[in-house]
Amino acid sequence: KAGVTQTPRYLIKTRGQQVTLSCSPISGHRSVSWYQQTPGQGLQFLFEYFSETQRNKGNFPGRFSGRQFSNSRSEMNVSTLELGDSALYLCASSLNLAGTEAFFGQGTRLTVV
Amino acid sequence: GDSVTQMEGPVTLSEEAFLTINCTYTATGYPSLFWYVQYPGEGLQLLLKATKADDKGSNKGFEATYRKETTSFHLEKGSVQVSDSAVYFCALSGDGGTSYGKLTFGQGTILTVHP
Repeated sequence: KAGVTQTPRYLIKTRGQQVTLSCSPISGHRSVSWYQQTPGQGLQFLFEYFSETQRNKGNFPGRFSGRQFSNSRSEMNVSTLELGDSALYLCASSLNLAGTEAFFGQGTRLTVV
Repeated sequence: GDSVTQMEGPVTLSEEAFLTINCTYTATGYPSLFWYVQYPGEGLQLLLKATKADDKGSNKGFEATYRKETTSFHLEKGSVQVSDSAVYFCALSGDGGTSYGKLTFGQGTILTVHP
C-alpha cells in the first residue's frame, strides 16, 4: 500500500512569490491535514480537509490556503511568500475515525530567499 | 485549547540505558494520545498510540500508558539502541468537533544514543 506522497520534496522561492504544494493521501483515506514545522514554533496545524470541505483551520494568515479534490488529493498554496514561511510542510492522511492515527508524508522543504 | 508539554531535551544516553520522555497534556473530554518519531530528513512515523484511559500502547520495545488522573503519557524503553536516535513527539487528537483532523504536538525531544 503506497504511503502519503508529497511533491515536490524541495522548493526555493523568492519573497513575494506564491507556491503550491501537493499531497496524495493513502488510498481510501478521505481526511487530509497540513502542518508547518519550524525549529522555533515546532509543529503547527494549518488546516484539514474531508470530502473536499475544510473542516478545521489553524491560526495562520489568509495567505495560506488549501483545497481538496474529489480523489482526496490535496494542495496547499502560500501567496506573497515571506522569509518566515521557510519551513518543512507536512501532509497527513487518516481514515477519519475516532482514535485512528494520521500517516505523514516526507514533507516539502520550502526555502524563501 | 488543547496543549501538550514534553520534557526539555536534548536527551543523551548510552546504548542499553533506560529511556523516559515525559509528556503531559491539557484537553477536554477524552482525547487519543500518540507518540510519533522523526528521523533526519523524514516525516513523522507513528510509534504507538492509546485511545482511552489506562490503555498501554507499545511498539518496538517502547511503551506508554494513558494516565487520565495525571493527564500524562510518558514514553519508556528499557534498553535503547543507537538506531533509536531521533526526535520524539507526543501528540493528542481531541474528541470535540473543533478537533477534526487536528493533532496537537509537544515541542519534540531530541534523543541521541551513543555506542
